[in-house]
Parts: sequence; structure tokens; C-alpha cells
Amino acid sequence: KNEVEQSPQNLTAQEGEFITINCSYSVGISALHWLQQHPGGGIVSLFMLSSGKKKHGRLIATINIQEKHSSLHITASHPRDSAVYICAVKGGGGGSNYKLTFGKGTLLTVNP
Amino acid sequence: EAGVTQFPSHSVIEKGQTVTLRCDPISGHDNLYWYRRVMGKEIKFLLHFVKESKQDESGMPNNRFLAERTGGTYSTLKVQPAELEDSGVYFCASSQVHGGEQYFGPGTRLTVT
Repeated sequence: KNEVEQSPQNLTAQEGEFITINCSYSVGISALHWLQQHPGGGIVSLFMLSSGKKKHGRLIATINIQEKHSSLHITASHPRDSAVYICAVKGGGGGSNYKLTFGKGTLLTVNP
Repeated sequence: EAGVTQFPSHSVIEKGQTVTLRCDPISGHDNLYWYRRVMGKEIKFLLHFVKESKQDESGMPNNRFLAERTGGTYSTLKVQPAELEDSGVYFCASSQVHGGEQYFGPGTRLTVT
């Protein structure tokens, strides 16, 4: 079992829908990243958070440290949001806190 | 300011051949990381440089993989000899401080036939 689990693995939505992608992890962490990868493209960091909630445009990321769970929300989804969304956690301390552990990603397809 | 760059973007080689991947981090970033994603699996950590020194290479799969960062600037990852299971996308990332936010490159897609 992977230390970082994402759900769903695949998600298809209609333009305008509210999207939620979930991430659960089983290890202590110092921070959690949400990353985006478009088909054939590189990885872009969307958020890095260690507590609470962050918002950027139509994207919102939340984290509950006690429950070891994070969610990424997309409001008013658009076809250009179609991408793989990856959750990655940074180690809890000591010399390993630079190392990222990744989920398998969620493939989001937003249809017009 | 330029982001992390990687070269080549795509490489197709035959089993047994050698391939060298290059990563140029963001200027001034002492920390450089290599990651790999093989088909159907999650991205995995390979190794971490601080300047020219290998801080952690625990993720390197075997001794067919050799990473260098001479002079503490760009890094190379050589696979020799390549095997079919080495196919995947190799990502490089850099960060300014130890444990800081990492910025990813576009990746190199390696196909071993």
C-alpha cells in the first residue's frame, strides 16, 4: 500500500462542475504539495501547504493534519483544467524533510 | 528568470545502449532532485544533490544509474546499459533551501526498446 493514496484515480466532469480530489497519507509530514501535469507537459506546483486552507483563483486546497487528509477543489471547472493532479507529501523531519512521496495522481477530464 | 530545464525532452534507445539526461536547475538553487515515473506507477524519488554533493541517493534503482553534478550547477543522469524497465519519465526539480518548495522541470521521456 502506497503511503499516499489519491481518489478518485479518474474523474470526468462537465464544464462548470465543482471538482474535488482527495489525498490521504499515512506518514508524518511537514508539508503537502498539490501538483498539476498536463498531457505531455511538465509538472507545475499548485500549492504547498502545512495547515488550513489556500486559495488561488478557482483552486482551493485544504489539509487536516490530524486526519492526515487533504482535498483539492476546483470551482467552475473548465476544459483547460483537464490534467493529472498529483498529491505529494514532504517528510516529517530530520534529514529526510526534502524527500517527496507521491500519490499516483488523478486524471481529470473536463468536457465542454 | 528561467525555470528548471531538462534535455532531451524525449529519448528512444535500444536495450543495452547508454543514455545521458541533463538537468539545469534554477540559477542559485543549491538543491537538485531527480525523480522517475514509470508507466502506471507513482513518481519516485531517485536522489538529491546539495551543490555538487550527493545528499541522498537511496532511491537509485541499481548501479546502472550514475548521477553527477560537477561544479554544483547542472546535473546529469546516465543510464548504462539501459534496460526495458528503465523506460519512463525522468523529472528534475530544484529548490533554493533544504526542504523548501521544489520547482520541477518538464521531464525527459525515456523509451527503451
